[in-house]
Amino acid sequence: GIQVEQSPPDLILQEGANSTLRCNFSDSVNNLQWFHQNPWGQLINLFYIPSGTKQNGRLSATTVATERYSLLYISSSQTTDSGVYFCAVERDTGGFKTIFGAGTRLFVKA
Amino acid sequence: KAGVTQTPRYLIKTRGQQVTLSCSPISGHRSVSWYQQTPGQGLQFLFEYFSETQRNKGNFPGRFSGRQFSNSRSEMNVSTLELGDSALYLCASSLGIRGDSPLHFGNGTRLTVT
Repeated sequence: GIQVEQSPPDLILQEGANSTLRCNFSDSVNNLQWFHQNPWGQLINLFYIPSGTKQNGRLSATTVATERYSLLYISSSQTTDSGVYFCAVERDTGGFKTIFGAGTRLFVKA
Repeated sequence: KAGVTQTPRYLIKTRGQQVTLSCSPISGHRSVSWYQQTPGQGLQFLFEYFSETQRNKGNFPGRFSGRQFSNSRSEMNVSTLELGDSALYLCASSLGIRGDSPLHFGNGTRLTVT
């Protein structure tokens, strides 16, 4: 089946720093989404981005489907950005199945 | 608009028992999918329903089952619970047929099996 790899696995930032998270996938996909899981376990959808670039405040994401990767940029990080960031891909295998990466655990220090 | 609602939030069960979890999607959303999250295996897809039909299923044993009602609410059932079933169970809804709209997750049900 399709493999989804995220890097880095762990990241520690000083408040105000910028960072780039990467998601590689091993086969063509119908779409890709980025999620943030806060320390209370809630998963928040950040971007639905099968291709191209989107921006939402301090966050932006780029997916290059032909090269099978996506990037999530976090600028001017804040302590509230701490948590785990997941990318998830979906493929039509006669019904859609969502496959998550293992996540990047981010800790932003004040 | 209310988000995805999962009940109960916490549940403690004993090995061998069965459990039913409930998920109410965002109003107007017709697709509901379920996921299991554990420290060892991460987030894994369980199954997905659209218009009361199961459209896809992950690699879980038959003890895990689900259904969707005509109002799009969904339930999942786990029979003959095992210690390894302890996990955070997450439900997500999306607007249309999967693949063309973003997933929105509920807060999850944390199941502990003793």
